[in-house]
Amino acid sequence: KQEVTQIPAALSVPEGENLVLNCSFTDSAIYNLQWFRQDPGKGLTSLLLIQSSQREQTSGRLNASLDKSSGRSTLYIAASQPGDSATYLCAVLVYGQNFVFGPGTRLSVLP
Amino acid sequence: GAGVSQSPSNKVTEKGKDVELRCDPISGHTALYWYRQSLGQGLEFLIYFQGNSAPDKSGLPSDRFSAERTGGSVSTLTIQRTQQEDSAVYLCASSAEGTHTDTQYFGPGTRLTVL
Repeated sequence: KQEVTQIPAALSVPEGENLVLNCSFTDSAIYNLQWFRQDPGKGLTSLLLIQSSQREQTSGRLNASLDKSSGRSTLYIAASQPGDSATYLCAVLVYGQNFVFGPGTRLSVLP
Repeated sequence: GAGVSQSPSNKVTEKGKDVELRCDPISGHTALYWYRQSLGQGLEFLIYFQGNSAPDKSGLPSDRFSAERTGGSVSTLTIQRTQQEDSAVYLCASSAEGTHTDTQYFGPGTRLTVL
């Protein structure tokens, strides 16, 4: 059974810092890996989607990498801003087309 | 265009009552998913609809849970004889074709509280 973990569970940093969020999964048989952002009381917003054949994706200040063989992904956020404060969820798409989610990393960026 | 919408946004019910949660996917999207987000449990898959195919119900936690998708669009998740452990945020998502290259777009969720 696929399991997804995320480290750290929570992170508090001053504005401007570069930071890394980690995601691990136990079964490399995935279609893709997706990073989401969730703001309090709101749904999920997709940030980056990495297909299983890809190694990384970039969007603005965000860069996500995927090492399927080791079951790891990292989300790199450059020059963090207070508006980046949210919970970041990692999810892997398994055969059957449903996501298995990690527990999330709660990020606070202090002004 | 409009995103995924869900109603109601909040629902408070008494233990033992039935509830219906509604999801309106993005127009034209053939795939629709229901997830549940509970405290201490994270976000878990419930059910997946793809076009006219039989739904994947493998994530439904008990036979008290059921879902329908009428006309390939709107979906209703029904929970019968609600229990306190059913309290959670129920999220709906849709994608254009339900393939692994698709992005799933999520609605804002329905927060269900069972007293």
